[in-house]
This record gives sequence, C-alpha cells and structure tokens, in this order.
Amino acid sequence: NAGVTQTPKFQVLKTGQSMTLQCAQDMNHEYMSWYRQDPGMGLRLIHYSVGAGITDQGEVPNGYNVSRSTTEDFPLRLLSAAPSQTSVYFCASSYSSSGGQQETQYFGPGTRLLVL
Amino acid sequence: GQSLEQPSEVTAVEGAIVQINCTYQTSGFYGLSWYQQHDGGAPTFLSYNALDGLEETGRFSSFLSRSDSYGYLLLQELQMKDSASYFCAAHNDYKLSFGAGTTVTVRA
Repeated sequence: NAGVTQTPKFQVLKTGQSMTLQCAQDMNHEYMSWYRQDPGMGLRLIHYSVGAGITDQGEVPNGYNVSRSTTEDFPLRLLSAAPSQTSVYFCASSYSSSGGQQETQYFGPGTRLLVL
Repeated sequence: GQSLEQPSEVTAVEGAIVQINCTYQTSGFYGLSWYQQHDGGAPTFLSYNALDGLEETGRFSSFLSRSDSYGYLLLQELQMKDSASYFCAAHNDYKLSFGAGTTVTVRA
C-alpha cells in the first residue's frame, strides 16, 4: 500500500492564481481531511469528509474548496491564492470507528506552498 | 471553540523520562490522541485515549483524566531519535483539534 500520497511536494504561486492540491489514499478509509501547519503552530483543520459525496468545514475553511467524488481522492482547491495561504498542507485519512470517532489518522508527506 | 494547551519546549538527556502535559477545553469531547512529528516530516500517530487511565505502548505511555480535562504523554528511556515535536489532539464530532506542539530536544 502507498498509504496517503500528496502532490505536488512543493509549489510556488503568485497572488490570485488558483491551484489544486491532490490527495489520494489506498486504504479504503472513509474519513479524509486537510490541515494546514504554520510555523510554531499545530495543525488546523481546513475541511474534512466522512465519505464520498460528503464534506464539511473545519476550523479555517475560507479560501479553500473541497470535493469527494470517490473514496480514494480528496483534492483541495485554492481559488485565488493569497500570501496568507503560504503554509504546509497535510492530507490525512482514517477509518471510522464504530463510535463514529477516528482514532488513527494517517498523514501524507505534505505540500509546501509559497504564495508570493 | 476548541483550545489545547501544552508546553512549547522540553529538553532532557538520553535515558531520562519526559512528561508532556496537555489541558483541553472542547465541546463534544470523545478522546485525546498524541502525534509525533520530526522536522520536515508528517505527523505520525502515537496513542489514543478514550477512557480515563493509562495506555502503554513500548517506551511511550499516555494518560487521560476526563474530569480534569487533562492528559499527558510520557516518554521513557529517551533516545536521540525522540527529538521531535509532539502534539496532543482532541477528538470531537468528526473533527480533530491540535495543540501547538511541544518540541522535545534530547541531549547526549
């Protein structure tokens, strides 16, 4: 299994440009999520999905869109990049436990994004 | 909103024991997880507590007290490779909220 994969690894954008960060998992996990991590801070939840066709907002959703058309893929779209979106982005996936809670989150290697 | 507090830095020598405390304020709390992250790497899962008490996994143990909204991660027999950032994370309603992280530096 490849686990959770993310592309690209690095990206430089100009303000106002759009792009899609790709995330895929091959573990048949129902739950997927996107986080951003800024220096000296923990991970902040952007959007999450509890299954194909179902998405919801996290703590910092503004400026980002997501969709979940398949179990495997969960892309994150930046519609008009801003310097404040310079960050490291992590995608994660997990099983949905019987209690509706996701115990072990498996993280991808991250995408480092710089917006000029 | 959710908030988790943990110390920003801890330094210890090889072979020592380190305890990283985490206090949380969150609604709909289900459990507390701990993650390790080396510089430039992805977070990796260490442990999860849904019930009060101690969970032991090798050299690492994690504790939860729901009544005190408090947990800790215990790192025993510290090794140089344990130098990393450690995050506590609260589970609530399909969302995971992370603390700002504790940087552990292990000295020879």
